[in-house]
Amino acid sequence: DTAVSQTPKYLVTQMGNDKSIKCEQNLGHDTMYWYKQDSKKFLKIMFSYNNKELIINETVPNRFSPKSPDKAHLNLHINSLELGDSAVYFCASSQVRGDEQFFGPGTRLTVL
Amino acid sequence: GENVEQHPSTLSVQEGDSAVIKCTYSDSASNYFPWYKQELGKRPQLIIDIRSNVGEKKDQRIAVTLNKTAKHFSLHITETQPEDSAVYFCAASRGSNDYKLSFGAGTTVTVRA
Repeated sequence: DTAVSQTPKYLVTQMGNDKSIKCEQNLGHDTMYWYKQDSKKFLKIMFSYNNKELIINETVPNRFSPKSPDKAHLNLHINSLELGDSAVYFCASSQVRGDEQFFGPGTRLTVL
Repeated sequence: GENVEQHPSTLSVQEGDSAVIKCTYSDSASNYFPWYKQELGKRPQLIIDIRSNVGEKKDQRIAVTLNKTAKHFSLHITETQPEDSAVYFCAASRGSNDYKLSFGAGTTVTVRA
């Protein structure tokens, strides 16, 4: 299947822990994104990468560190998790920057 | 940067009626305006988009209109069905001159059977 995939789908962890979310796209797209969707459903852009290079960092705390080993993968590592980090995190990709984005299934992160 | 405002935040319609969601944007250089539908527990998916060189686009029961002068665009759903119940997001970008979509806050649409 051609798609954007994320793992894990659910993540439950304690405050202060470190966790990672992985994202892969096999659509051949050059641009990938991370979004945070909170309980009010707002889709907030966190990061944008183009061909493995960071393009946008929307004032995200430096506890969040994205890594793109190649243009098909964009992972998100979060250090020292806080209660306010609880949300659904979506990865997305686009063939053309600023154009249609294809979203992954999301990772629901719950920090206890 | 671009600021997209979306109204209403919630919309309840009787099955078979029409639903209209409106968005305004601030950046006159924006030229790409997609609409995403997000069903409960699912990912956002593109349902229709419009570029600044056209004023209206239709796909079966959904249509989008764009007024570049007034900087607003709207989604119209006709003959609503229960499966149209979802959160709808509008967005705007400068197309290939941009590295992101700026999303509206979303509209929760409920279609009453």
